[in-house]
Amino acid sequence: EAQVTQNPRYLITVTGKKLTVTCSQNMNHEYMSWYRQDPGLGLRQIYYSMNVEVTDKGDVPEGYKVSRKEKRNFPLILESPSPNQTSLYFCASSFAGDQETQYFGPGTRLLVL
Amino acid sequence: AQSVSQHNHHVILSEAASLELGCNYSYGGTVNLFWYVQYPGQHLQLLLKYFSGDPLVKGIKGFEAEFIKSKFSFNLRKPSVQWSDTAEYFCAVTLVSYNTDKLIFGTGTRLQVFP
Repeated sequence: EAQVTQNPRYLITVTGKKLTVTCSQNMNHEYMSWYRQDPGLGLRQIYYSMNVEVTDKGDVPEGYKVSRKEKRNFPLILESPSPNQTSLYFCASSFAGDQETQYFGPGTRLLVL
Repeated sequence: AQSVSQHNHHVILSEAASLELGCNYSYGGTVNLFWYVQYPGQHLQLLLKYFSGDPLVKGIKGFEAEFIKSKFSFNLRKPSVQWSDTAEYFCAVTLVSYNTDKLIFGTGTRLQVFP
């Protein structure tokens, strides 16, 4: 089944404790992206990647890192989480020629205390 | 500032009522337009999209949207909603004129349908 998976789905952590949210897709998509969803603000793009070893900042990259060592994986790293990073995070992927039609993962709900 | 606006933040309807959700964008060039739906506890799914051609686009589950270029709008409609349409709906655009495929989302409209 074609899908985008994220782990964990729910995470509670404390300020400053490094964490990684994994994202994996099995559709051989070149393009992958991370969004955060906050009430009243919709979805905002954090980082995106056009292909392996190619990443770039989205609209709200501060406090986040990403890597793209393999085509299928695009982990989101919070080196020192803060409470303002409490949010719902979505990973998405698509083919390079159809980046507008993105497939979304199930979401990761993060609470930073 | 360039943006995507969804003026209806929360819509409450009874089953069988007609639905229209507004979406306006403020970009002057060529755009591609999308509606995504997020059912409770689920991820976003593409409902319909417009790239070119007939401005009336039909999507899944009986939804349609009309692109009115002069009004910079792409409103979502459904003649008769069902309880299962309860979800959050997001309008999104990509800026073809800017040669970018980045999706820019509106803030979303929460739809509640009561039986």
